[in-house]
Amino acid sequence: GAVVSQHPSWVICKSGTSVKIECRSLDFQATTMFWYRQFPKQSLMLMATSNEGSKATYEQGVEKDKFLINHASLTLSTLTVTSAHPEDSSFYICSAGTTGDHEQYFGPGTRLTVT
Amino acid sequence: AQSVTQPDIHITVSEGASLELRCNYSYGATPYLFWYVQSPGQGLQLLLKYFSGDTLVQGIKGFEAEFKRSQSSFNLRKPSVHWSDAAEYFCAVGTGGGADGLTFGKGTHLIIQP
Repeated sequence: GAVVSQHPSWVICKSGTSVKIECRSLDFQATTMFWYRQFPKQSLMLMATSNEGSKATYEQGVEKDKFLINHASLTLSTLTVTSAHPEDSSFYICSAGTTGDHEQYFGPGTRLTVT
Repeated sequence: AQSVTQPDIHITVSEGASLELRCNYSYGATPYLFWYVQSPGQGLQLLLKYFSGDTLVQGIKGFEAEFKRSQSSFNLRKPSVHWSDAAEYFCAVGTGGGADGLTFGKGTHLIIQP
């Protein structure tokens, strides 16, 4: 149980275009989903927290107009990187949790390369 | 705000030897502590977690960790490492309740010598 999927697993896009990453909880309803970014050989940094039906809460230094997060249902959250630039190339990992559950369940990650 | 320190960036251990990876956290209330392992290009795999109760926690793949409140530590141990244990290990702290994201340490890169 508690499986989280991400799609796509990797994507290459041209500079200036937008790309959408999906995060789905497959066998449970996630009241909260989290988006993390991991640069090569670095740790995971929390980007934003989203609750179903609410606006996402972004961490300091994360541009909310660049990284659009939509949490339309209890099983789906999307991250759209708008007007992507090479410096946005990174590994994006989502996780999902439910209220009262201290654990988060991580997706397998999406490798974004912007050329 | 909470923080996590993993003081060792790299650790090299001979296959069959014991292992201890250090993790210190800073958080004013009861922490929720996790150890994850990540192989190159892969996602995270949860090794073990501590929420409450017995301070010695058993995890998968023969790993264990001990929560020491007085030292603000949650060190990961394994009595005998295997070559397949070579990976990046992350300690993380959560504030509980499922509403907040986790704060990760910078990670420790484990190298296994034959």
